[in-house]
Amino acid sequence: DAGVTQSPTHLIKTRGQQVTLRCSPISGHKSVSWYQQVLGQGPQFIFQYYEKEERGRGNFPDRFSARQFPNYSSELNVNALLLGDSALYLCASSSRTGGETQYFGPGTRLLVL
Amino acid sequence: AQTVTQSQPEMSVQEAETVTLSCTYDTSESDYYLFWYKQPPSRQMILVIRQEAYKQQNATENRFSVNFQKAAKSFSLKISDSQLGDAAMYFCAYRSSFAGNNRKLIWGLGTSLAVNP
Repeated sequence: DAGVTQSPTHLIKTRGQQVTLRCSPISGHKSVSWYQQVLGQGPQFIFQYYEKEERGRGNFPDRFSARQFPNYSSELNVNALLLGDSALYLCASSSRTGGETQYFGPGTRLLVL
Repeated sequence: AQTVTQSQPEMSVQEAETVTLSCTYDTSESDYYLFWYKQPPSRQMILVIRQEAYKQQNATENRFSVNFQKAAKSFSLKISDSQLGDAAMYFCAYRSSFAGNNRKLIWGLGTSLAVNP
């Protein structure tokens, strides 16, 4: 079975621009979570979606938004990019039948110049 | 709020030897899950092992095992017969069992493990 996929793998943007990151969960998984990982730190929770509904939001500004589609894929949008948004963005999917263990994709590396 | 602490920023081990990575956590909850994830230089986060707090038996996955001490809020990872491919950043993570906490993972800062040939 295919694992969690994310696109793009790398992205370079300039300050003030907007970016959309995409994630496809493992087949059968209905929950998707997004994390931001700044170099040298542990991941920080951004959003969680289950069955297309937002189930949790971390301590991030309103410039960050997300949604989940009927096929359970998800998009993370970041507006008005700041230099500090440069990070690895990780997507994880989980299944309630699997104890909700989160399995991660390869991440999207975002660099804001 | 729950917190996870990894007090060893860096560790090293000789190939074929055993190493133990430490993790402590703070919570007022009685039911939760604990995880160890591995992040190699490729930066993909890979699940190593998982422990349910209600289970007294320590989890084991091949060369990886944990020492779960619920009362002490300690969750260490033991890697036996270390291999060069084990070199990575290891993260300890906590997840509540309660839906109200949206089941997000709370992470430590990680331990960088080097394996010497």
